[in-house]
Amino acid sequence: DAKTTQPPSMDCAEGRAANLPCNHSTISGNEYVYWYRQIHSQGPQYIIHGLKNNETNEMASLIITEDRKSSTLILPHATLRDTAVYYCIVRANDQAGTALIFGKGTTLSVSS
Amino acid sequence: GAVVSQHPSWVICKSGTSVKIECRSLDFQATTMFWYRQFPKQSLMLMATSNEGSKATYEQGVEKDKFLINHASLTLSTLTVTSAHPEDSSFYICSARLPTSGQYNEQFFGPGTRLTVL
Repeated sequence: DAKTTQPPSMDCAEGRAANLPCNHSTISGNEYVYWYRQIHSQGPQYIIHGLKNNETNEMASLIITEDRKSSTLILPHATLRDTAVYYCIVRANDQAGTALIFGKGTTLSVSS
Repeated sequence: GAVVSQHPSWVICKSGTSVKIECRSLDFQATTMFWYRQFPKQSLMLMATSNEGSKATYEQGVEKDKFLINHASLTLSTLTVTSAHPEDSSFYICSARLPTSGQYNEQFFGPGTRLTVL
């Protein structure tokens, strides 16, 4: 069963903020929201994760709604190198020994 | 962050031959490694879970006799595609898990291996 829903594609102008939504309406109380991205012909790269509070790191910000049924990954100033497929994954910590399961993700195209 | 390497980065082989792909955790010991396959324009599909010193666990639909996995040390897992055919052409990606459970970002991915079977 798909735990997350993401739009298949999005476009963004270079230098603008890219806001990538993810719907996870069936998320459980102990499940975190993780974001990974995959640049073409490379392995996935961890971006950020959160439980219920908003999170920010050097790559991105993660905004989780109060009911935790959806979240948004924000790349504040997108560059051409941010063109990639972005995956939103929900996962409990007691699943730490199991593999990450990837959905279809959102293909973000950043153009100049 | 932890680094995972794969070798080779790409390989071309003739149909019927076998190909070995290596996955190494360079700066940490990985008790568990995972192998994924990715066809063009599709997402990553989990093939198997590899635990050091024990037999791999394969996902439904993945032929264990065709995709041989060996995890002989805490830093190396190998995937051998036996009697490869053109339909096995794909992008193979491994990930390695840090041994401390419950740690975020506990899986680190290799750069992938592009296999082309002629």
